[in-house]
Amino acid sequence: ETGVTQSPTHLIKTRGQQVTLRCSSQSGHNTVSWYQQALGQGPQFIFQYYREEENGRGNFPPRFSGLQFPNYSSELNVNALELDDSALYLCASSQDSEKLFFGSGTQLSVL
Amino acid sequence: QQQVKQSPQSLIVQKGGISIINCAYENTAFDYFPWYQQFPGKGPALLIAIRPDVSEKKEGRFTISFNKSAKQFSLHIMDSQPGDSATYFCAAHNNYGQNFVFGPGTRLSVLP
Repeated sequence: ETGVTQSPTHLIKTRGQQVTLRCSSQSGHNTVSWYQQALGQGPQFIFQYYREEENGRGNFPPRFSGLQFPNYSSELNVNALELDDSALYLCASSQDSEKLFFGSGTQLSVL
Repeated sequence: QQQVKQSPQSLIVQKGGISIINCAYENTAFDYFPWYQQFPGKGPALLIAIRPDVSEKKEGRFTISFNKSAKQFSLHIMDSQPGDSATYFCAAHNNYGQNFVFGPGTRLSVLP
């Protein structure tokens, strides 16, 4: 059984660019959530996907968007990057929406 | 109120001592309260969790104490070990939003 894998591990972008982050969920998990973790802070909920539909969203602007694919893998897209978007982006998969299994994250730096 | 408060921000404990981290919440829609452990360069990992109808849950050296009326819960780490040095996050599950609200974290250092 493989765990949650995220790619890339690190990414450097400049302000105004667009970025796509990828996540493969743990085998058997049909729900994927994305969280943003700023340095020294707890993770903040971005959105959740269940069976390819967004079924929950946190307080993030529309330039944060996502997709879930039939194999339950997922993408997080961020348009018009801002300096404050620099953070660790965490993907978590779950089977019952309560027990989250996190990947190691993608560290995004916006210059 | 979606916030989960957590204290202390950092904690230093001697090997063999007890580490105690406290959290508080306001939203009565929260229905599940996990604790996560995060090592540098890794994502958070589920440590232990409790539901609000239970006052205490113990798993090995880790115990959650839950006070529903006070809307407070805490993590106790007995016989703390240097390998427990990590950042700990309390969290609360919002059954309506289907999301977790995390506390700001406690950085624990266990001295050998």
